[in-house]
Amino acid sequence: DSGVTQTPKHLITATGQRVTLRCSPRSGDLSVYWYQQSLDQGLQFLIHYYNGEERAKGNILERFSAQQFPDLHSELNLSSLELGDSALYFCASSWTGDSPLHFGNGTRLTVT
Amino acid sequence: DQQVKQNSPSLSVQEGRISILNCDYTNSMFDYFLWYKKYPAEGPTFLISISSIKDKNEDGRFTVFLNKSAKHLSLHIVPSQPGDSAVYFCAAINYGGSQGNLIFGKGTKLSVKP
Repeated sequence: DSGVTQTPKHLITATGQRVTLRCSPRSGDLSVYWYQQSLDQGLQFLIHYYNGEERAKGNILERFSAQQFPDLHSELNLSSLELGDSALYFCASSWTGDSPLHFGNGTRLTVT
Repeated sequence: DQQVKQNSPSLSVQEGRISILNCDYTNSMFDYFLWYKKYPAEGPTFLISISSIKDKNEDGRFTVFLNKSAKHLSLHIVPSQPGDSAVYFCAAINYGGSQGNLIFGKGTKLSVKP
C-alpha cells in the first residue's frame, strides 16, 4: 500500500460530460502529481502541485484542470469529455521534488 | 516523439535466470533515470534509480546500468523470481527537474516462468 488514495476506482461517463477525480496523498507529502496512461502508452505527466500551488504543467489539455486544497488533497477535473480521454489516471505524491514518487492505484475512466 | 523508448513490449524468462530489460533515450539533458514496477490493478512502485554521474547502481537482485554515450540503460534482475512478473517502466528527468516531471517509456511486460 503506497498510502496514496484515489477515488473513484472506475468511472464510466458519456462524451461531453464533466468528471472529477480525487487524490489523497501520503501523510506528510506536500507534492501531488497527475499522470495519464492511455492504451499502450507510457505514463504522461499532466500537472504538479506543491503545497497548494501549481509548480509545473505537462501535456495537459485546456479542458482539464486541477487544484490542491489546504488539506493537500487534489482534484483533477476533466470536462467536455471525448472518447480519447478514456485512460487510467494516476496520482502520485512525494515529500520533496527529489523523493521517489508514490503512486495511487489509479482511476480508470471510460468515456462512451 | 518518444524521448524514452522501451522497444521490447514483452519478455519471458525462466525462474532463476537473468532478466535484462532495456531502455533507450534521446534527450542528452536527462540526468537521472528510474525504473518503476507495476502489477495489474496497482500503481507503479519505485524500484531503483541511477544518476548520470554513475554507470551502475545495485540494490539486491536489481542492478541498473547506464551507458551515456549510447544513451542506453538496462535493468538486470538476478535471479528472476515469479513474483517479478510485472510491467517495468523506464523513466527519465531533465536536468533540474523534479522527479514528478518524469518522462516514461511505454513499459516492458516481464513474465517469469516457474
